[in-house]
Amino acid sequence: EVQLVESGGGLVQPGGSLRLSCAASGFSVSSKYMSWVRQPPGKGLEWVSVIYSGGSTYYGDSVKGRFTISRDNSKNTLFLQMNSLRGEDTAVYYCARFQSGSSPFDYWGQGTLVTVSS
Amino acid sequence: DIQMTQSPSSLSASVGDRVTITCRASQSIGRYLNWYQQKAGKAPKLLIYAASSLQSGVPSRFSGSESGTDFTLTISSLQPEDFATYYCQQSYNEWTFGQGTKVEIK
Repeated sequence: EVQLVESGGGLVQPGGSLRLSCAASGFSVSSKYMSWVRQPPGKGLEWVSVIYSGGSTYYGDSVKGRFTISRDNSKNTLFLQMNSLRGEDTAVYYCARFQSGSSPFDYWGQGTLVTVSS
Repeated sequence: DIQMTQSPSSLSASVGDRVTITCRASQSIGRYLNWYQQKAGKAPKLLIYAASSLQSGVPSRFSGSESGTDFTLTISSLQPEDFATYYCQQSYNEWTFGQGTKVEIK
């Protein structure tokens, strides 16, 4: 059974850093495309970042240069390193899996809340 | 960037009603349009992919269609468990979501 479990969220001050994890089971993160999607409280969904099975990475304009996506194949885990955090980064962060660049996101984690506030 | 405009932003309907939600892309995206359902406090769930293909396990009362850059999600007979927020997503060039449609009980 495919499962994605996020962790690492919490309260952080503006300008601070946080690293999110997404532990996968039932498949290998190295064989799929993996993405982070966020949702500010009461608002819609925003794509954040992707890592392709081949290792290429891409970012949304709002996080480019501040966030870094990576994976640890030995731990079957996806990461999102978030630096220079701002209030507008406050959101529930979901990891999601998909088969290829044009495929839908077929499995999602339960999400982890990041709150950026002083 | 491709923009996705979803309408309406909310609607009230009764059990048994036929419900239609529309999503318009700012440019051609072929059939690279997906629909998700999200219930309060939960992750989104894939309903429809490639404009009209039903995800495994999703009830057949859900259907999708496409006409150029306009896409439609239809629920043929609304059930109590269908009250939720629905999002479209384009996967043609990066990934963009519509702003969501909240389906509420009348």
